Amino acid sequence: QLQLQESGPGLVKPSETLSLTCTVSGVSVSRTSFYWGWIRQSPGKGLEWIGTIYYSGTTYYNPSLNSRVTISIDTSKNQFSLWLTSVTAADTAVFYCARRSQVAGRAFDYWGQGTLVTVSP
Amino acid sequence: EIVLTQSPGTLSLSPGERATLSCRASQHVSSSFLAWYQQKPGQAPRLLVYGASRRATGIPDRFSGSGSGTDFTLTISRLEPEDFAVYYCQRDSSFFGQGTRLDIK
Repeated sequence: QLQLQESGPGLVKPSETLSLTCTVSGVSVSRTSFYWGWIRQSPGKGLEWIGTIYYSGTTYYNPSLNSRVTISIDTSKNQFSLWLTSVTAADTAVFYCARRSQVAGRAFDYWGQGTLVTVSP
Repeated sequence: EIVLTQSPGTLSLSPGERATLSCRASQHVSSSFLAWYQQKPGQAPRLLVYGASRRATGIPDRFSGSGSGTDFTLTISRLEPEDFAVYYCQRDSSFFGQGTRLDIK
């Protein structure tokens, strides 16, 4: 059964780098039909797409975050990761990892449960 | 950048009623890559519709999507108690609309 699980620190200090990993089980991240993405949701707010990666390492980032975001993929561990630099309180959010399916119109068809990251001194 | 605007912001209806949610794009969006999601409190979003009109696996047929160009609609034909949630549209596997909250009247 396909599962995605976010992991990483729940508390990050301002100006530091947020780092999260998504561990995928039930499907290989190297499958050509899928891309892998990060989406966040600030408390009480809507969904914000952060970026997407393909197994080859090709990445697509939200221009509003582009200068601070890096997404990488480790096919040997079946994981992909997010780094967000120079965080502020505005980056406090629930972070979701998700699978983008080419079959399902490039929509995110499977999501992790989400992990709350709080930016605070 | 193409912006998605959802309306209304909040929709208050009763179980059994029909819900019509709108997603309008500031420029043409390929219907092949327009998706709708449902999110309940404390849960991850769930894919309902992709390709503007194709139901995702396991989604009841009371949910239907339509539209093209700049105007897209998600319709719930007869609301069930579990349908009261927030709904988001998304374009091109990237940007989301701001959401429509569907409340019980």
